Amino acid sequence: RKEVEQDPGPFNVPEGATVAFNCTYSNSASQSFFWYRQDCRKEPKLLMSVYSSGNEDGRFTAQLNRASQYISLLIRDSKLSDSATYLCVVNPHSGGGADGLTFGKGTHLIIQP
Amino acid sequence: GAGVSQSPRYKVAKRGQDVALRCDPISGHVSLFWYQQALGQGPEFLTYFQNEAQLDKSGLPSDRFFAERPEGSVSTLKIQRTQQEDSAVYLCASSPLQGSGNYNEQFFGPGTRLTVL
Repeated sequence: RKEVEQDPGPFNVPEGATVAFNCTYSNSASQSFFWYRQDCRKEPKLLMSVYSSGNEDGRFTAQLNRASQYISLLIRDSKLSDSATYLCVVNPHSGGGADGLTFGKGTHLIIQP
Repeated sequence: GAGVSQSPRYKVAKRGQDVALRCDPISGHVSLFWYQQALGQGPEFLTYFQNEAQLDKSGLPSDRFFAERPEGSVSTLKIQRTQQEDSAVYLCASSPLQGSGNYNEQFFGPGTRLTVL
């Protein structure tokens, strides 16, 4: 079983719609959680961190459910520029050691005009 | 300011050749990471440096892969006797502080796209 699993899509969504992605992780000791965005042939960039209390950044909302080991990302009022691959990312280390990240395969989102 | 840079951006190698990939992290960043991203996959962790010390190399797929950061700044990932399955994008990332359980954002370079024929 892969450590971080997400639906690869593609998700084809009309502009202005709301879209949600989910991912699950297998390591219950994981400490930190993130969503990264990766445009085609570009490097990953941090979109937002994910906290148990849930957090919002403009049109983006992230949620973490530690009991179910489940992370979500909601995008409201989607824009054409939101088209990208969204990577669910987990930092499995509890501190004092390496912080190599564990990435999911990514969910491909296409916003259609 | 300058971000993480990597060179070359593209490398084509014949099977069996040795290659060296370079990473220039953001100035002053203590931590440096190498990842391998195959087509259609997420990045996979290879190795981690804190300054010049290689603290984790658990992700290196074989002993043909070797990484160094001798002066705690620039890093080189070397692949010996390349094979077709080594074809991937190799990403370097740096972050400002050492691993401490408190996450420090990792800033990625543009990657080196390696194609082994």
